Amino acid sequence: EVRLVESGGGLVQPGQSLSLSCTGSGFTFGDFAINWFRQAPGRGLEWVGFMRREVFGGATDYAASVKGRFTISRDDSKSIVYLQMNSLKTEDTAMYYCSAYRIVAPYFFDYWGQGTLVTVSS
Amino acid sequence: DIQMTQSPSTLSASVGDRVTITCRASQSISSWLAWYQQKPGKAPKLLIYKASTLETGVPSRFSGSGSGTQFTLTISSLQPDDFATYYCQQYNSYSRTFGQGTKVEVK
Repeated sequence: EVRLVESGGGLVQPGQSLSLSCTGSGFTFGDFAINWFRQAPGRGLEWVGFMRREVFGGATDYAASVKGRFTISRDDSKSIVYLQMNSLKTEDTAMYYCSAYRIVAPYFFDYWGQGTLVTVSS
Repeated sequence: DIQMTQSPSTLSASVGDRVTITCRASQSISSWLAWYQQKPGKAPKLLIYKASTLETGVPSRFSGSGSGTQFTLTISSLQPDDFATYYCQQYNSYSRTFGQGTKVEVK
């Protein structure tokens, strides 16, 4: 069974840091690129950042709203991807989802975790 | 960045109705479009990818069409389990973007 499980969410004060983890199982983790998405309470889905497979150099890209503050990394030996969030703002409050995806034409594999809640508040 | 405009934002419908949701991209994304269903407190669920390919296990009452900048999601006969929020998402670029969402509610 394919699973992605996020962890590490919680309540933090503005300006603080938090690290989220996303652990995969049931598939070859290193064969998949990773996205992080978030959803503020009552709002729509927002892309946060992306990391390519290590075979493609593990390049990353981030939404403008988090660039310079958030960093994605991965450890394929442990099937884990991390989202390091620094200088958190109240507007970063959201449910954070990781997604592992791969396009093997004609198929599109897109696995999502159940999310972990981050609350930034004083 | 590619902007995705989805309409309507809310749709009131009854069981058995045919429902259509539209998504427009600010530039051509070929067929690199996915549709997701989300229920309260749950992660989004992939319904359709590459604009019209049904994900395994998704009922055939769901269908997608379009290419370039105009896309539609159709539910041929709305079922009780289909009341949810639907999002389009482009994956033409690494920086994914979603439509604003369409909430399908009971009429």
